[in-house]
Amino acid sequence: SVLTQPPSVSGTPGQRVTISCSGSSSNIGDNFVSWYHHLPGTAPKLLIYRNNQRPSGVPDRVSGSKSGTSASLAISGLRSEDEAEYFCASWDDTLSGYVFGTGTKVTVL
Amino acid sequence: QVQLVQSGAEVKKPGASVKVSCKASGYTFRNYDIYWVRQAAGQGLEWMGLMNPDSGKVAFVQKFQGRVTITTDSSINMTYMALNTLRSDDTAVYYCARGPYCTGGRCYSRGLDVWGQGTVVTVSS
Repeated sequence: SVLTQPPSVSGTPGQRVTISCSGSSSNIGDNFVSWYHHLPGTAPKLLIYRNNQRPSGVPDRVSGSKSGTSASLAISGLRSEDEAEYFCASWDDTLSGYVFGTGTKVTVL
Repeated sequence: QVQLVQSGAEVKKPGASVKVSCKASGYTFRNYDIYWVRQAAGQGLEWMGLMNPDSGKVAFVQKFQGRVTITTDSSINMTYMALNTLRSDDTAVYYCARGPYCTGGRCYSRGLDVWGQGTVVTVSS
């Protein structure tokens, strides 16, 4: 994968966690970033599009940002139901394709 | 409501082909790309390719060139992804997803906002 994420992050209920997504000028640097929430056995769910926009139904304790060739997803007020795997994604101009991050497993302690 | 509904699970032998369907409803089918994504057990999400139902434009990730075909039947809002010469490492859950909104030759990113339920494809002898 051309987008690199930490394999895991953890936090206690109520805490804020952030997930990083590192790319390059051909993907994050020049295109929008999306974030997806994924539980085993279910379809991925869009959390953030266009770097920092939330679809309707996604709570405002979830936020996204982008700077240069990196992006971040922040989840504040961590809840047990936030335990899942999270993927960033972006279009890559060099590969002419959509690329996903390596995925980050969030654990609520 | 807006939804994508995929065909059921498949079990195939190595070397065979599989065709997964994805039926769209609740929106103007020709105005959005359809993306195909797969996830093998223990692996991450992998984009395979896309189809623009209006123009017929398709694009694939290079590793699938020559093995994957994406077609559409706009009369019934259906998209199909066919993968041939199956190998054991093609065993995965295959998803279709609604991609960018496209009109007048331009596309506007909204993320992959609607997903099919997934189709399990098992390749085993």
